[in-house]
Amino acid sequence: AQSVTQLDSQVPVFEEAPVELRCNYSSSVSVYLFWYVQYPNQGLQLLLKYLSGSTLVESINGFEAEFNKSQTSFHLRKPSVHISDTAEYFCAVSLSWAGGTSYGKLTFGQGTILTVHP
Amino acid sequence: ETGVTQSPTHLIKTRGQQVTLRCSSQSGHNTVSWYQQALGQGPQFIFQYYREEENGRGNFPPRFSGLQFPNYSSELNVNALELDDSALYLCASSDNEKLFFGSGTQLSVL
Repeated sequence: AQSVTQLDSQVPVFEEAPVELRCNYSSSVSVYLFWYVQYPNQGLQLLLKYLSGSTLVESINGFEAEFNKSQTSFHLRKPSVHISDTAEYFCAVSLSWAGGTSYGKLTFGQGTILTVHP
Repeated sequence: ETGVTQSPTHLIKTRGQQVTLRCSSQSGHNTVSWYQQALGQGPQFIFQYYREEENGRGNFPPRFSGLQFPNYSSELNVNALELDDSALYLCASSDNEKLFFGSGTQLSVL
């Protein structure tokens, strides 16, 4: 079975500062890796994903994450945060061998609440 | 807006009762997954349906059951409700390329 650990439950940061949200996973087989964001009173939205290829993946709103197989990590970073980035962020994995339906069988971490202060 | 709608948005039940939650998938999506998100926790995978058949189940007891209909809408049924079943229940549909979540049903068991 696979598991996901998000090392920080809450991360407060000032606007325009850099931020890193940490995620480690455990799995005996290869996995797909995801970051989801949940804004207040909204559903989960996919932020970015790693399936294969380049280990650095980027989102359209300036976030990036790097897959590190040796350290089994998939940390999320942004060089300069905005107030609008305040949300809860979830790291998740799924088994890569299960094909397309594996996208729906996710194991989530417990979440990191990012609060951006003015 | 993901195109995945869940109903109702909020629900209050008492212990021992049964509940049915509904999910309308985005058009063309043949896979639906259900998750339970307890307060302060990440979502936990309950089960997935693919073309009306169960296609994987998480660590949930048999009193959690589901259905997927020919139009790919779905139901989650929970029998003999327990206090610990209080949570946000999320439905997610996919076309095997992207996953889209609904906003969830908040279930409170008293």
